[in-house]
Amino acid sequence: GQQVMQIPQYQHVQEGEDFTTYCNSSTTLSNIQWYKQRPGGHPVFLIQLVKSGEVKKQKRLTFQFGEAKKNSSLHITATQTTDVGTYFCAGPSVSYNTDKLIFGTGTRLQVFP
Amino acid sequence: GAGVSQSPSNKVTEKGKDVELRCDPISGHTALYWYRQSLGQGLEFLIYFQGNSAPDKSGLPSDRFSAERTGGSVSTLTIQRTQQEDSAVYLCASSFGGYQPQHFGDGTRLSIL
Repeated sequence: GQQVMQIPQYQHVQEGEDFTTYCNSSTTLSNIQWYKQRPGGHPVFLIQLVKSGEVKKQKRLTFQFGEAKKNSSLHITATQTTDVGTYFCAGPSVSYNTDKLIFGTGTRLQVFP
Repeated sequence: GAGVSQSPSNKVTEKGKDVELRCDPISGHTALYWYRQSLGQGLEFLIYFQGNSAPDKSGLPSDRFSAERTGGSVSTLTIQRTQQEDSAVYLCASSFGGYQPQHFGDGTRLSIL
C-alpha cells in the first residue's frame, strides 16, 4: 500500500545548529503538507506545497517539494528551543476510492540549549 | 472562531468497559478524521468521513471500534470492551475536504486500567 516515510526518526541538535527532515512517498503526490506537533500538543498545519520543485520559506523554515513530486524536505536554520516537536509530512491517498491524507511517520526534533 | 472540540479531554476506565469519545468539528468542514497516537508514536489513521459518502473505515483496528457522524457534524468514536492496548490519545481533525489542511482537536487521553 501507499507509504510515506520520514527520516530521520529522531534528531538531537544543539541550539543554533541546522536541522533537516526528509519525506519520501512511494507514489507521486499532487501536493505535500507539513505539520508540527509540540510535546503534549496536537499537530498544527504549517504549509502546503503543490508545484514540482517548489520552495517556500517561513522565517527560518524552508520547505521543498521534489521535482518528481515523490519527496519533500523541511530545513530549519539555526534551531531554537521553540522548534522542539515532531514534524509530520502528509500527502493525498492515490487510492481510487478515497481522498484522505496519508501522514508520514514523523521526525522528532530535540534542541539542547 | 471555535476550533475542533473533543470531549472528554481525559478518560480513565476499567478494562472491558465501553467508552464514547466525541468530536465537534469546525463549522462548515465536510471532512472529519479520527486518529490514534500512542506515546511517542506517529498518527495512526482510524476512520475518515467526507460529506455524505460512505466512511473510509480501513484503519479501524478491530470490530470493537466504531464511529458515526450525525448530520454531517458531530462524530462519536465508540470502543467496546476496552483493552489495555487501547490506551492512547485519540485525535480528531476536520477540514474542508479530503486533501485540504486539517485542523486538529486537543485529543482525548484514554487510559485503560
